[in-house]
Amino acid sequence: EVQLGESGGGLVKPGGSLRLSCTASGFTFSNHNMNWVRQAPGKGLEWVSSISSSSTYIFYADSVKGRFTISRDNAKNSLYLQMNSLRAEDTAVYYCASSVIAAPSIDYWGQGTLVTVSS
Amino acid sequence: EIVMTQSPATLSVSPGERATLSCRASQTVNSNLAWFQQKPGLAPRLLIYGASTRATGIPARFSGSGSGTEFTLTISSLQSEDVAVYYCQQYNYWPPLTFGGGTKVEIK
Repeated sequence: EVQLGESGGGLVKPGGSLRLSCTASGFTFSNHNMNWVRQAPGKGLEWVSSISSSSTYIFYADSVKGRFTISRDNAKNSLYLQMNSLRAEDTAVYYCASSVIAAPSIDYWGQGTLVTVSS
Repeated sequence: EIVMTQSPATLSVSPGERATLSCRASQTVNSNLAWFQQKPGLAPRLLIYGASTRATGIPARFSGSGSGTEFTLTISSLQSEDVAVYYCQQYNYWPPLTFGGGTKVEIK
């Protein structure tokens, strides 16, 4: 059974930084693309970033480009999102999501971690 | 960027009746279209990929159809546990991966 678990969310001031982590199990992590998707309170889903299996390809949404950095450690079955220069509009639940079944489509999701940017 | 438009925004259906949800792409995405279900307070769950292939464990009352720019998710007989927001997502041209704005399905 595929399981994804995020951590690292919390309250941060505008301009601050936060690092999200995601631990994966139940599939061969090193073989698959991984993604971050976010959802602002009461809003829809927004793709944030994707990283290929060996980190060769990395993509970002325009809204986070230059501020967020995605990375992975295949030895630890872990995915990360370093978020810098945070803004109020980055407030959202951040989901770690895999692309196992029909890449690059997203398939399995973690439970999400809430990031709140507020002074 | 491909824009995904879902309609209606809210759909009220009686238990046991059919629910039909629409998703339109601003340009062709072939069959590279997925549907997700999100119940209140929970993470999204994959229902359909490849426009019409049900994911593992998804009940047969859920079906997807369409290709190109027009897609449909059908719930053949609505159950109370199907109350949720449903999102479509294209993965034909990316980045970015893009989602529709969602359709909220409620019980009439």
